Amino acid sequence: LAKTTQPISMDSYEGQEVNITCSHNNIATNDYITWYQQFPSQGPRFIIQGYKTKVTNEVASLFIPADRKSSTLSLPRVSLSDTAVYYCLVGDDSGGYQKVTFGTGTKLQVIP
Amino acid sequence: GAVVSQHPSRVICKSGTSVKIECRSLDFQATTMFWYRQFPKQSLMLMATSNEGSKATYEQGVEKDKFLINHASLTLSTLTVTSAHPEDSSFYICSARAWGGAQKETQYFGPGTRLLVL
Repeated sequence: LAKTTQPISMDSYEGQEVNITCSHNNIATNDYITWYQQFPSQGPRFIIQGYKTKVTNEVASLFIPADRKSSTLSLPRVSLSDTAVYYCLVGDDSGGYQKVTFGTGTKLQVIP
Repeated sequence: GAVVSQHPSRVICKSGTSVKIECRSLDFQATTMFWYRQFPKQSLMLMATSNEGSKATYEQGVEKDKFLINHASLTLSTLTVTSAHPEDSSFYICSARAWGGAQKETQYFGPGTRLLVL
């Protein structure tokens, strides 16, 4: 299983763009990159998933360079409600199911 | 998107009793569900992988006789904490792998169950 490394915490002011980078040097060919958001006492919520290049949805963008050894979650114009822990996960589906290991996550604190 | 529910959302029990937590995939079928445990200010730790119609696969260090997992149908997995003790107090979260669609490789998580053992 590919291990992921993220910054432990980040602070950002409201309205700013936040970029959280995740390192996954041992990512395998079959691995997808998925980001989740977790609020206290809640289950993680799916944000975005990608395999390569750039993926964008209504809440975030995911940038993945050609070597796929890292990825960056971009949150445009964050608000106070974006304060949460963000997890980067790398999963392998070759075994018939995606077994992933959660890293430490990045605790994002949005400041008014 | 795919919805996963858990019941109960929180439970308080006496030491020595057993507690059952249900995890349901509401709008999709899940041949595989996962059970996690999360202690305060820590990340999620995978406890076991639950496969429909077969025995669960437990992670190293997780006692299979203490944490009984049953995956009786494609939409329901249960975790029973047997003879619970205060150290079992934690936040238990399940997830289900969704098949099909643009996000077929994705796990969807339940809202979690807070267990407090007195």
